[in-house]
Amino acid sequence: KAGVTQTPRYLIKTRGQQVTLSCSPISGHRSVSWYQQTPGQGLQFLFEYFSETQRNKGNFPGRFSGRQFSNSRSEMNVSTLELGDSALYLCASSLAVGEETQYFGPGTRLLVL
Amino acid sequence: DAKTTQPNSMESNEEEPVHLPCNHSTISGTDYIHWYRQLPSQGPEYVIHGLTSNVNNRMASLAIAEDRKSSTLILHRATLRDAAVYYCILRDVYFGNEKLTFGTGTRLTIIP
Repeated sequence: KAGVTQTPRYLIKTRGQQVTLSCSPISGHRSVSWYQQTPGQGLQFLFEYFSETQRNKGNFPGRFSGRQFSNSRSEMNVSTLELGDSALYLCASSLAVGEETQYFGPGTRLLVL
Repeated sequence: DAKTTQPNSMESNEEEPVHLPCNHSTISGTDYIHWYRQLPSQGPEYVIHGLTSNVNNRMASLAIAEDRKSSTLILHRATLRDAAVYYCILRDVYFGNEKLTFGTGTRLTIIP
């Protein structure tokens, strides 16, 4: 079974631009979570979707948004990029609500210049 | 979220057992103890989890203190591929809390 895939793997943007990252969960998984990883703050939870509904949200500004489609694929969008948004963005999927294990993708590395 | 405390770094010789400690003195009765690891240039990877009893799987063992205020991840025979950052995480799945709250983790170095 294929793992979690994220596209693109690397991205360079400039301040003020917006970006959309994509995540395809493991087949059959309906829950998708997003995390941001930076050297200074470590891994931080962004939001989680299940059945196209956002169930949990972390402490990030409104510039960070996401959505989930009926096939469980998810996208996250960051508008008006800032230098501090440079990070590794990780997507994780799990079978359902309450599932113990999350399976992470390789991440999208975003560099904002 | 209940907090966990881990040493910043540890070293171990190849082919020897490794014991990675984690303190979680504010753990609640419904918190599961999860361990994930992150290899260089990869996303985190699930290792093991438990509630009260010690747990074993093909990757590792988890030893949980009787009062549940601490736990230890045991790698029985470390290899170079076990070099990673190991995260100890408390997760209350009963209340719909799906997010994982990562701490700073322990960076494990394996010495050949």
